Amino acid sequence: DVKVTQSSRYLVKRTGEKVFLECVQDMDHENMFWYRQDPGLGLRLIYFSYDVKMKEKGDIPEGYSVSREKKERFSLILESASTNQTSMYLCASSPMARQETQYFGPGTRLLVL
Amino acid sequence: GESVGLHLPTLSVQEGDNSIINCAYSNSASDYFIWYKQESGKGPQFIIDIRSNMDKRQGQRVTVLLNKTVKHLSLQIAATQPGDSAVYFCAENWGSGGSNYKLTFGKGTLLTVNP
Repeated sequence: DVKVTQSSRYLVKRTGEKVFLECVQDMDHENMFWYRQDPGLGLRLIYFSYDVKMKEKGDIPEGYSVSREKKERFSLILESASTNQTSMYLCASSPMARQETQYFGPGTRLLVL
Repeated sequence: GESVGLHLPTLSVQEGDNSIINCAYSNSASDYFIWYKQESGKGPQFIIDIRSNMDKRQGQRVTVLLNKTVKHLSLQIAATQPGDSAVYFCAENWGSGGSNYKLTFGKGTLLTVNP
């Protein structure tokens, strides 16, 4: 079974703090994704990585950055958290041969006060 | 169907009945579709997928039907159980150059199973 894990289920941070969300997958997938999920808006892609040290902006990259130093790990960074970044953050991975078949982690619910 | 605003479409069924969840997709060029199940507080779980060269695919207790003429996808769950209660949403993909990883997600339907 594909296993995607995220470092925290719940996080509470203050405005202006730097926030790191970590994601690890154990299936040797080349592709990894970060989404946020908000009521009424569905899943929106923040960033995508198709290889170590490679990244592409998704649909809503503003206010976020990412890091992929190892194949199995993809980090999402909020340089200076703001209240409008309160959301559910979901990490996903997929193999290169079937990039579109994405498997998700359990999610991190972030509250920015 | 798809949701508008903050309120998801809701389907309520009795335990043991069959459930049918619908999804209207947006792009006639889409050639791959996935159904996900998302329980409260958890991440989406892959259920079943289908490519556009098929119109039906079956899994364990689930069947996905694809009608490309009207851009419609449905998920049928046989003998629905309380553990099936969740939000179900579809996703579509159209391979185009370097963007064939991209999925476009529907807003979802909330399935409630009554014992």
